[in-house]
Amino acid sequence: DIQMTQSPSSVSASVGDRVTITCRASQGVSSWLAWYQQKPGKAPKLLIYAASSLQSGVPSRFSGSGSGTEFTLTIRSLQPEDFATYYCQQANSFPYTFGQGTKLEIK
Amino acid sequence: EVQLVESGGGLVQPGGSLRLSCAASGFTFSTYYMTWVRQAPGKGLEWVSYIISSGTSTWYADSVKGRFTISRDNAKNSLYLQMNSLRAEDTAVYYCATDRGPYSSSPNSGAFDIWGQGTMVTVSS
Repeated sequence: DIQMTQSPSSVSASVGDRVTITCRASQGVSSWLAWYQQKPGKAPKLLIYAASSLQSGVPSRFSGSGSGTEFTLTIRSLQPEDFATYYCQQANSFPYTFGQGTKLEIK
Repeated sequence: EVQLVESGGGLVQPGGSLRLSCAASGFTFSTYYMTWVRQAPGKGLEWVSYIISSGTSTWYADSVKGRFTISRDNAKNSLYLQMNSLRAEDTAVYYCATDRGPYSSSPNSGAFDIWGQGTMVTVSS
């Protein structure tokens, strides 16, 4: 199975900051990588698919990059509604696997 | 309105069974690949199972293989998860979700864009 490791596990930032979250795969997943945002008590929301494609309706301050084994999610100019937990997920091969999550907190 | 609504969760004893349902509306359910994802209390997301649009191919996480069965009824716009031999570690909120569709030359993207609100399954004596 492909293991997905996110770093950091948590990060504190202020409104207006730029934040980068990294996701590493234990083996190459090409561009089969998605990013999700989840708020407490809510279902996840798809932000990025195919490593760098922005899902419809998602603000352009979110961007994804990478291929193979290393990926990043960047949020520029953090807004109050961005404070949440973020997950990466590989879809290169079954079983699909998620990273452990990165909690983005207000500083 | 595009919507997925899960039902069927509840409290069940270890070794018991439960069948989850996911009712789809507002889109052409029969053309979408579907998945189940779960989240244990206070934990991260765990992919559980996946089914293609025709229902003829399915995949499972190792943790549920042989105990859970995913299925669908396209005439009823419904997805199901039959869960047998339940264990305490199966306690979680279970979400159904749609694969967002074709990407590149593949019929699916493996990214999940429409999610239900989740249904809680508690396995305890």
